[in-house]
Amino acid sequence: DGGITQSPKYLFRKEGQNVTLSCEQNLNHDAMYWYRQDPGQGLRLIYYSQIVNDFQKGDIAEGYSVSREKKESFPLTVTSAQKNPTAFYLCASSWASGRKGYEQFFGPGTRLTVL
Amino acid sequence: SQQGEEDPQALSIQEGENATMNCSYKTSINNLQWYRQNSGRGLVHLILIRSNEREKHSGRLRVTLDTSKKSSSLLITASRAADTASYFCATLSGYSTLTFGKGTMLLVSP
Repeated sequence: DGGITQSPKYLFRKEGQNVTLSCEQNLNHDAMYWYRQDPGQGLRLIYYSQIVNDFQKGDIAEGYSVSREKKESFPLTVTSAQKNPTAFYLCASSWASGRKGYEQFFGPGTRLTVL
Repeated sequence: SQQGEEDPQALSIQEGENATMNCSYKTSINNLQWYRQNSGRGLVHLILIRSNEREKHSGRLRVTLDTSKKSSSLLITASRAADTASYFCATLSGYSTLTFGKGTMLLVSP
């Protein structure tokens, strides 16, 4: 069953704690992305990666970090430096980004709440 | 910054009616994509239209693109209650990543 998975579905964090969101895909996609969605808003790009061991900042990277050690995995760490981390986080993957086309496939999302 | 802007922000119709959503953007694009998001879920890709295409169909979906006006429309014909969702347009410019709009919330009442 191919697809993209995110875990956990819901996550609660105390202020000052770092937390890591998991994203895994078995679609053999080259590119992976992390987005943040706030209520009633569109998606804003946090980080993206086109190949293993390489990633680029998106529009709102401050307070976040990522790694891409394996093609299948692109975890996102929300650090204590992120001032307003409560949001819905979406991971996506696609064939190589920057090409003319290539739809993105999305995971089910992780809802992070800071207490 | 968000390039695509959907209009209207919200749309409420009855089952069987058609739903039309519009998307405007600011810079030249390689392609424009439409996605659907059910409440609290991930996005699902609906259709992609390239900058050299003017119209595309997929089932009950019809997408048009007018690059001179920098706008696109998504038409859903014979709407069903299951079409209730938020719909986003996303644009790809140059070799950058997708830029999403804020979406149109569609409510289809039985």
